[in-house]
Amino acid sequence: DTGVSQDPRHKITKRGQNVTFRCDPISEHNRLYWYRQTLGQGPEFLTYFQNEAQLEKSRLLSDRFSAERPKGSFSTLEIQRTEQGDSAMYLCASSFGTSHNEQFFGPGTRLTVL
Amino acid sequence: EDQVTQSPEALRLQEGESSSLNCSYTVSGLRGLFWYRQDPGKGPEFLFTLYSAGEEKEKERLKATLTKKESFLHITAPKPEDSATYLCAVRGATNKLIFGTGTLLAVQP
Repeated sequence: DTGVSQDPRHKITKRGQNVTFRCDPISEHNRLYWYRQTLGQGPEFLTYFQNEAQLEKSRLLSDRFSAERPKGSFSTLEIQRTEQGDSAMYLCASSFGTSHNEQFFGPGTRLTVL
Repeated sequence: EDQVTQSPEALRLQEGESSSLNCSYTVSGLRGLFWYRQDPGKGPEFLFTLYSAGEEKEKERLKATLTKKESFLHITAPKPEDSATYLCAVRGATNKLIFGTGTLLAVQP
């Protein structure tokens, strides 16, 4: 399977703990996006990378959130001092080209903060 | 502010009963309207991209159309396997996708 992959698929943590998620985009896709989705809502944009550069961040991305894409390939999203409100599905997507065309999504990481 | 509104929130159809889903949008400088399908517990699956009013795209039983204010996803003779949440999103001047809340479609045999 050469689609977008995410790990882990599920994460349960206690409030106050740190968590890190990984996303591997479709190979040769130079753009990578993180979204968050809560029940009954559409995905909400968090941040976007072009190669290794983080070019856009949402106001939703508080100081407790940090994302990296060190070599322009996989990306990690870390949440520090998790809160119950962080419980959501975290989705990664990737795209190729210069015009931000179709974004292809991974299966997501379901985070539950107890 | 860019915004997407989808209707209805939920739709129940009998197998073979055709219908349409609506996506109304306001965006500064539309650079693409996207339709995705999402199954429970999974990531969105890309269906279509539309760029300009009058454009239409088809895939199997699905057909997407676009005007200057809204898009429709027409489902012809649906089957139970078409049951899913259908998401509409737009991309404007920024690089992010703005999603609606989706339409939950249930097709009964």
